[in-house]
Amino acid sequence: DAKTTQPNSMESNEEEPVHLPCNHSTISGTDYIHWYRQLPSQGPEYVIHGLTSNVNNRMASLAIAEDRKSSTLILHRATLRDAAVYYCILRDVRSGGSNYKLTFGKGTLLTVNP
Amino acid sequence: DSGVTQTPKHLITATGQRVTLRCSPRSGDLSVYWYQQSLDQGLQFLIQYYNGEERAKGNILERFSAQQFPDLHSELNLSSLELGDSALYFCASRDSPWGTDTQYFGPGTRLTVL
Repeated sequence: DAKTTQPNSMESNEEEPVHLPCNHSTISGTDYIHWYRQLPSQGPEYVIHGLTSNVNNRMASLAIAEDRKSSTLILHRATLRDAAVYYCILRDVRSGGSNYKLTFGKGTLLTVNP
Repeated sequence: DSGVTQTPKHLITATGQRVTLRCSPRSGDLSVYWYQQSLDQGLQFLIQYYNGEERAKGNILERFSAQQFPDLHSELNLSSLELGDSALYFCASRDSPWGTDTQYFGPGTRLTVL
Protein backbone atom coordinates (compact mmCIF):
# COMPACT_ATOMS: atom_id res chain seq x y z
CA ASP A 1 0.00 0.00 0.00
CA ALA A 2 1.26 3.47 -0.84
CA LYS A 3 2.26 5.48 2.18
CA THR A 4 0.70 8.64 3.54
CA THR A 5 2.21 11.26 5.83
CA GLN A 6 0.13 13.38 8.19
CA PRO A 7 1.00 15.76 11.03
CA ASN A 8 0.72 14.09 14.41
CA SER A 9 -1.58 16.74 15.78
CA MET A 10 -3.39 19.97 14.94
CA GLU A 11 -5.40 22.45 16.90
CA SER A 12 -8.36 24.54 15.88
CA ASN A 13 -10.91 26.87 17.39
CA GLU A 14 -14.60 26.14 17.34
CA GLU A 15 -16.50 27.49 14.31
CA GLU A 16 -13.30 28.10 12.37
CA PRO A 17 -12.28 26.18 9.25
CA VAL A 18 -9.73 23.38 9.60
CA HIS A 19 -7.41 22.18 6.87
CA LEU A 20 -5.93 18.74 7.54
CA PRO A 21 -3.07 17.93 5.14
CA CYS A 22 -1.95 14.57 3.83
CA ASN A 23 1.09 13.84 1.68
CA HIS A 24 1.12 10.79 -0.56
CA SER A 25 3.99 11.34 -2.98
CA THR A 26 4.07 7.69 -4.14
CA ILE A 27 0.38 7.55 -5.01
CA SER A 28 -0.46 5.52 -8.10
CA GLY A 29 -3.05 6.33 -10.72
CA THR A 30 -5.43 3.72 -9.34
CA ASP A 31 -5.28 4.84 -5.68
CA TYR A 32 -8.37 6.43 -4.22
CA ILE A 33 -7.82 8.82 -1.31
CA HIS A 34 -10.02 7.98 1.66
CA TRP A 35 -10.46 9.85 4.92
CA TYR A 36 -11.79 8.27 8.06
CA ARG A 37 -11.97 9.67 11.55
CA GLN A 38 -12.14 8.11 14.96
CA LEU A 39 -13.90 9.95 17.73
CA PRO A 40 -12.88 9.11 21.30
CA SER A 41 -14.06 5.67 22.39
CA GLN A 42 -15.69 4.93 19.04
CA GLY A 43 -14.92 2.97 15.90
CA PRO A 44 -13.58 4.77 12.84
CA GLU A 45 -16.14 6.42 10.62
CA TYR A 46 -15.97 7.27 6.95
CA VAL A 47 -15.61 10.95 6.11
CA ILE A 48 -15.00 11.31 2.39
CA HIS A 49 -13.06 9.89 -0.54
CA GLY A 50 -11.96 10.94 -4.01
CA LEU A 51 -9.76 10.10 -6.95
CA THR A 52 -8.81 13.25 -8.85
CA SER A 53 -11.47 15.93 -8.52
CA ASN A 54 -12.33 17.83 -5.38
CA VAL A 55 -15.25 16.31 -3.49
CA ASN A 56 -17.83 17.73 -1.12
CA ASN A 57 -20.29 16.04 1.18
CA ARG A 58 -22.26 17.01 4.26
CA MET A 59 -19.31 16.33 6.56
CA ALA A 60 -16.35 17.83 4.75
CA SER A 61 -14.59 18.74 1.53
CA LEU A 62 -11.62 17.00 -0.01
CA ALA A 63 -9.18 19.05 -2.05
CA ILE A 64 -6.79 16.99 -4.18
CA ALA A 65 -3.64 18.52 -5.65
CA GLU A 66 -3.35 18.49 -9.41
CA ASP A 67 -0.40 16.06 -9.28
CA ARG A 68 -2.30 14.01 -6.62
CA LYS A 69 0.76 13.89 -4.40
CA SER A 70 -1.12 15.61 -1.60
CA SER A 71 -4.65 16.24 -0.43
CA THR A 72 -6.40 18.32 2.20
CA LEU A 73 -9.46 17.49 4.23
CA ILE A 74 -11.42 20.64 4.95
CA LEU A 75 -13.86 20.97 7.82
CA HIS A 76 -15.63 24.22 7.08
CA ARG A 77 -16.68 25.06 10.63
CA ALA A 78 -15.12 22.92 13.31
CA THR A 79 -17.28 21.92 16.24
CA LEU A 80 -16.28 20.26 19.49
CA ARG A 81 -17.71 17.06 18.07
CA ASP A 82 -15.09 17.11 15.32
CA ALA A 83 -12.30 16.45 17.82
CA ALA A 84 -10.96 13.10 16.66
CA VAL A 85 -8.07 11.30 15.00
CA TYR A 86 -8.26 11.78 11.24
CA TYR A 87 -6.79 9.11 8.98
CA CYS A 88 -5.80 9.60 5.36
CA ILE A 89 -5.71 6.24 3.57
CA LEU A 90 -4.94 5.19 0.02
CA ARG A 91 -6.96 2.39 -1.48
CA ASP A 92 -5.94 0.75 -4.74
CA VAL A 93 -9.02 -0.10 -6.78
CA ARG A 94 -7.04 -2.85 -8.50
CA SER A 95 -7.04 -4.86 -5.25
CA GLY A 96 -10.35 -6.27 -6.21
CA GLY A 97 -13.99 -5.42 -5.86
CA SER A 98 -14.73 -7.77 -3.02
CA ASN A 99 -11.56 -7.78 -1.00
CA TYR A 100 -9.68 -4.83 0.26
CA LYS A 101 -8.48 -3.73 3.63
CA LEU A 102 -7.81 -0.32 5.09
CA THR A 103 -4.25 0.35 6.18
CA PHE A 104 -4.34 2.92 8.95
CA GLY A 105 -1.36 5.07 9.82
CA LYS A 106 -1.11 7.12 12.98
CA GLY A 107 -3.39 9.86 11.71
CA THR A 108 -3.73 13.44 12.91
CA LEU A 109 -5.19 14.14 16.33
CA LEU A 110 -7.41 17.21 15.95
CA THR A 111 -8.13 19.23 19.06
CA VAL A 112 -10.94 21.77 18.87
CA ASN A 113 -10.86 24.58 21.40
CA PRO A 114 -14.12 26.17 22.54
CA ASP B 1 -25.03 4.41 14.53
CA SER B 2 -23.18 2.58 11.76
CA GLY B 3 -25.56 -0.37 11.71
CA VAL B 4 -22.74 -2.77 12.67
CA THR B 5 -23.17 -4.39 16.07
CA GLN B 6 -20.54 -6.01 18.22
CA THR B 7 -20.86 -7.99 21.42
CA PRO B 8 -19.77 -7.93 24.10
CA LYS B 9 -18.77 -4.33 24.68
CA HIS B 10 -16.22 -5.22 27.31
CA LEU B 11 -14.51 -8.48 28.15
CA ILE B 12 -12.15 -9.15 31.02
CA THR B 13 -10.42 -12.48 31.18
CA ALA B 14 -7.23 -14.15 32.34
CA THR B 15 -4.13 -15.25 30.47
CA GLY B 16 -4.45 -18.62 28.81
CA GLN B 17 -8.20 -18.33 28.36
CA ARG B 18 -10.25 -18.33 25.15
CA VAL B 19 -12.87 -15.77 24.14
CA THR B 20 -15.24 -15.23 21.25
CA LEU B 21 -16.13 -11.82 19.88
CA ARG B 22 -19.24 -11.44 17.77
CA CYS B 23 -20.08 -9.07 14.95
CA SER B 24 -23.24 -8.52 12.93
CA PRO B 25 -22.73 -6.54 9.74
CA ARG B 26 -25.12 -3.99 8.30
CA SER B 27 -28.13 -5.51 6.64
CA GLY B 28 -27.20 -6.64 3.15
CA ASP B 29 -23.43 -6.27 3.55
CA LEU B 30 -21.55 -9.42 2.61
CA SER B 31 -18.03 -8.44 3.72
CA VAL B 32 -16.83 -8.42 7.30
CA TYR B 33 -13.43 -7.14 8.38
CA TRP B 34 -11.74 -7.51 11.75
CA TYR B 35 -9.25 -4.95 13.08
CA GLN B 36 -7.24 -4.77 16.27
CA GLN B 37 -6.34 -1.45 17.90
CA SER B 38 -3.67 -1.41 20.56
CA LEU B 39 -1.76 1.53 22.01
CA ASP B 40 1.56 0.52 20.49
CA GLN B 41 0.44 -0.90 17.12
CA GLY B 42 -2.46 1.36 16.21
CA LEU B 43 -5.30 0.04 14.06
CA GLN B 44 -4.30 -3.16 12.27
CA PHE B 45 -6.22 -5.30 9.85
CA LEU B 46 -6.62 -8.90 10.97
CA ILE B 47 -8.84 -10.77 8.54
CA GLN B 48 -11.66 -10.39 6.04
CA TYR B 49 -14.59 -12.60 5.10
CA TYR B 50 -16.87 -12.26 2.14
CA ASN B 51 -20.11 -14.21 2.04
CA GLY B 52 -18.74 -16.92 4.30
CA GLU B 53 -15.33 -17.27 2.69
CA GLU B 54 -12.02 -15.98 3.96
CA ARG B 55 -10.74 -13.42 1.48
CA ALA B 56 -7.73 -11.69 3.01
CA LYS B 57 -5.47 -12.11 6.00
CA GLY B 58 -3.44 -9.47 7.74
CA ASN B 59 -1.40 -9.59 10.93
CA ILE B 60 -3.51 -12.24 12.56
CA LEU B 61 -1.83 -14.56 15.03
CA GLU B 62 -2.20 -18.33 14.71
CA ARG B 63 -3.93 -18.32 18.10
CA PHE B 64 -6.71 -16.25 16.53
CA SER B 65 -9.30 -17.52 14.11
CA ALA B 66 -12.50 -16.23 12.62
CA GLN B 67 -15.48 -17.41 10.65
CA GLN B 68 -18.52 -15.99 8.96
CA PHE B 69 -21.80 -17.84 9.20
CA PRO B 70 -24.59 -18.25 6.65
CA ASP B 71 -26.54 -15.42 8.26
CA LEU B 72 -23.41 -13.30 7.64
CA HIS B 73 -22.56 -12.63 11.26
CA SER B 74 -18.93 -13.24 12.13
CA GLU B 75 -17.04 -14.44 15.17
CA LEU B 76 -13.42 -13.83 16.10
CA ASN B 77 -11.97 -16.48 18.39
CA LEU B 78 -8.94 -15.63 20.47
CA SER B 79 -7.26 -18.46 22.37
CA SER B 80 -4.32 -18.92 24.73
CA LEU B 81 -4.68 -15.27 25.56
CA GLU B 82 -1.65 -13.22 26.53
CA LEU B 83 -1.39 -9.85 28.23
CA GLY B 84 -0.43 -8.30 24.90
CA ASP B 85 -3.75 -9.30 23.37
CA SER B 86 -5.46 -6.62 25.41
CA ALA B 87 -6.83 -4.22 22.82
CA LEU B 88 -9.91 -2.87 21.14
CA TYR B 89 -11.27 -5.18 18.46
CA PHE B 90 -13.37 -3.65 15.73
CA CYS B 91 -15.33 -5.25 13.01
CA ALA B 92 -16.47 -3.45 9.92
CA SER B 93 -18.74 -4.28 7.05
CA ARG B 94 -18.62 -2.93 3.58
CA ASP B 95 -21.35 -2.34 1.10
CA SER B 96 -21.31 -3.94 -2.30
CA PRO B 97 -18.16 -3.75 -4.39
CA TRP B 98 -20.06 -1.47 -6.71
CA GLY B 99 -21.36 0.75 -3.91
CA THR B 100 -19.77 3.62 -2.08
CA ASP B 101 -16.56 1.75 -1.25
CA THR B 102 -17.04 2.57 2.41
CA GLN B 103 -16.33 0.48 5.47
CA TYR B 104 -18.73 0.87 8.38
CA PHE B 105 -17.23 0.14 11.76
CA GLY B 106 -18.88 -1.23 14.84
CA PRO B 107 -18.41 0.24 18.33
CA GLY B 108 -15.74 -2.32 19.19
CA THR B 109 -15.09 -4.85 21.93
CA ARG B 110 -12.58 -3.88 24.58
CA LEU B 111 -10.64 -6.95 25.67
CA THR B 112 -8.63 -6.85 28.85
CA VAL B 113 -6.40 -9.81 29.65
CA LEU B 114 -5.21 -9.93 33.25
